[in-house]
Parts: sequence; C-alpha cells; structure tokens
Amino acid sequence: KNQVEQSPQSLIILEGKNCTLQCNYTVSPFSNLRWYKQDTGRGPVSLTIMTFSENTKSNGRYTATLDADTKQSSLHITASQLSDSASYICVVSLSNSGYALNFGKGTSLLVTP
Amino acid sequence: DAGITQSPRHKVTETGTPVTLRCHQTENHRYMYWYRQDPGHGLRLIHYSYGVKDTDKGEVSDGYSVSRSKTEDFLLTLESATSSQTSVYFCAIRANNEQFFGPGTRLTVL
Repeated sequence: KNQVEQSPQSLIILEGKNCTLQCNYTVSPFSNLRWYKQDTGRGPVSLTIMTFSENTKSNGRYTATLDADTKQSSLHITASQLSDSASYICVVSLSNSGYALNFGKGTSLLVTP
Repeated sequence: DAGITQSPRHKVTETGTPVTLRCHQTENHRYMYWYRQDPGHGLRLIHYSYGVKDTDKGEVSDGYSVSRSKTEDFLLTLESATSSQTSVYFCAIRANNEQFFGPGTRLTVL
C-alpha cells in the first residue's frame, strides 16, 4: 500500500490562475518531505525539501506547506504558466531508512492558454 | 542534470534476451540508485549502491542485478527480459541530501 497519497490525480487550469496540489502521507518516522516536478520525457527535478520542523518553503512561484501533525503537505503554484504543465510528485523520506524515499503517484497538471 | 547520463535512452527488445542499462555520473558521488516508473505507480527503487562494489536491493529487485566496478558507472542488468519489465528506468545520484535524476531510459520488452 502506497504510504504517500496525492490529489487530485490530474488537474487542468487556465494560464495565470493559481492552484494547490495535496499530499497526505502515513510514512513514519518522518525525516523530510520533497516536491518534485517531472516534465514529460524527463527525470524528476526537485522543487522544495522540508524537514519536520519547517512548515513552509518557497521556490519562486512554488510554495510548499507541511503540517507534520496531520501528515499533510500542499504545493501552491501562483500565476501559472504554460511551462508549469508537468507531473508533480510528493516524496517522503524515512528518518531511519538509509535514505529510502517513498514516492507518491503524482498529480498531472495541464495549464492551458 | 547533475552530470548524469543514461544509455541507451530508448530500447526495444524481445522477451528472454539480456539487457544492460548504463548510468554514468561525472561528479564522483558515492550513492547511486536505479528506479522504475510505471503508470499508476510512484517511482520504485530497484537497487542502489553506496560505493564501488557495494550494492543493495530495493523494493522491486526481482529479475534485476546491478554492478558498480567504478564510481562513475552503475549498471542495471535484466538477465532475461520479460514483458512486465517494460518501463521507464531512472538513475539517480545523491548529493547534498538530495537525489538528482537522470533523463531516463524507455525500455520496451516485446
């Protein structure tokens, strides 16, 4: 059973609009949470990484939030651009895993003109 | 791309044939990983390496073997390819507490 669940599975928004992607996890003990962006035909690229003590991290128009108590994270994209069309993957790392990562299935975002 | 290349980028092969995928890095990182990515699944770890000749299994290691005889190269071998191994394979390295991924290899087993 996947311990990292993402919603929605897919999303279509108009260029210039904002959107929020969700990630719920049951992984424990928790070390850090990452958001990756994966363009079609490319490898994932890291957007943000947060430890359990951080509750927000920004990278340009991308802002990730983390609530370690409820085990929820969100990725907010502001003023979307066509180039934001991609899959966004939530990844949780265990603190005693030797660096094993638990990957969500991703949210596929399409930004249309 | 953190100096990671994968070869080949695309391969079509037949069931039962051996296949070797290569991951090459230029920055001397100690940890390297092989993942597969399939529709309906998150990325899943196949094998990883924590140094030359030091490797360990991930969650989906059956049917795969790896070798690392040099720091810069991490090879993934399918001894006898099956259709269930049709997938996109990603190599990754670990640097500064992050994982950086290669461009991927799309493998089709007919």
